Formats: sequence, structure tokens, C-alpha cells
Amino acid sequence: TQLLEQSPQFLSIQEGENLTVYCNSSSVFSSLQWYRQEPGEGPVLLVTVVTGGEVKKLKRLTFQFGDARKDSSLHITAAQPGDTGLYLCAGTDNYGQNFVFGPGTRLSVLP
Amino acid sequence: NAGVTQTPKFRVLKTGQSMTLLCAQDMNHEYMYWYRQDPGMGLRLIHYSVGEGTTAKGEVPDGYNVSRLKKQNFLLGLESAAPSQTSVYFCASSYGGGELFFGEGSRLTVL
Repeated sequence: TQLLEQSPQFLSIQEGENLTVYCNSSSVFSSLQWYRQEPGEGPVLLVTVVTGGEVKKLKRLTFQFGDARKDSSLHITAAQPGDTGLYLCAGTDNYGQNFVFGPGTRLSVLP
Repeated sequence: NAGVTQTPKFRVLKTGQSMTLLCAQDMNHEYMYWYRQDPGMGLRLIHYSVGEGTTAKGEVPDGYNVSRLKKQNFLLGLESAAPSQTSVYFCASSYGGGELFFGEGSRLTVL
């Protein structure tokens, strides 16, 4: 069974601070996705990374896929209250059928 | 543009009662999934389907049954509800190996 761990579990910061959250596994994934979930809603895809070492930027968010495709990180620059939510990473298998989710990092950005 | 629609949004059951959750998607996706989300445990896959008429077990299938008689619909059934099945259930669909599109969730409480 492929497992994903995320750290930290909870993070509370002030507006304007930078932060990094991590997603780690002992398994290799063909791709890894990051989702953000707000209260009362379903998760929404932020990014998909496929190649080992890949870095993708989405405005103030920077995503990196580890060289061995076992881990990933999400860095947010100058966090804003609108970034508040649950951040989930998900790894996909070689067939692209199964998505394994980590437990999530709950981020709170205070104004 | 409805996307993925789940019904009902909320339900309270007594132990031993049965119910069906309905998921409908209008994106012509082949793949559909049922997840449950519990605090601190992320999303766990219950059952999934890779096409009309097919279903497969996920990580936590016990106590649940599913059917995919039409491509756009994926039903999740609980034959005899137990308090351990109290959770938020999410349906998702995908065109295969790509982005998961989630519904808004169905909150189920079993007393």
C-alpha cells in the first residue's frame, strides 16, 4: 500500500509570512498533485507535477517534485488570508487510475 | 455547468438503516470515485469505477456497495449503517490519470 505523509499537520501564520509544507512517501509515484480544500467544499486541484526535479509556479505558490518522485513540497510566499485551507497532496499510480491522498496540512493565515 | 453533483448533502441514519448516495457528473468522464474524509486521515478511497458497468474496491470497501449502470452516475450504498461510517463522503470524476473533480460532499451521521 502506498502511503503519503504530510507535515506539518497544522500551521498558523501571520499575513505576509512565507511557509513550506511537505509531502513524503517511501513509494515512487508516476505523478503527484496538490489540492486545496475549503470548509464545506470538495478539494480543488492546484497543480500536477510529473517529472522528478520539476518545479512549477502558480503566482505566489511554488511546487517541487523530488528527484526520486517520492516527495514534494509547496512553498507559499507572502501568505494571504485567502490561502487559508486544507492542502492535500495526492500521488497517482502508473495506470493513472488510483489517487492516494495524504492526511493534509491545515493552514490558517491570520490578517 | 454543474460538474459533479452529490445528493443528499446531509443525512442522519440510525444504526442498521440503509441508504444510497448518488453522484452525477456531466463531463463525460470515464473514471468515478467515492472517498470518505475523516479528521486527520485525509481522503480514503472506498470504491471506484473505470467505466460504465465496472467497479473496483479501494482502500476501505467493507460495508459499502457501488453501482455504475450509467456512465454519468455512480451510486454508493450502505446496506446496514454503523456509527463507524459517520463521515463526509466525496464523489470525484476524472478523464483518466488527470485532475480529479470533486463534488461538494455528503455529510452522513449514523447514530
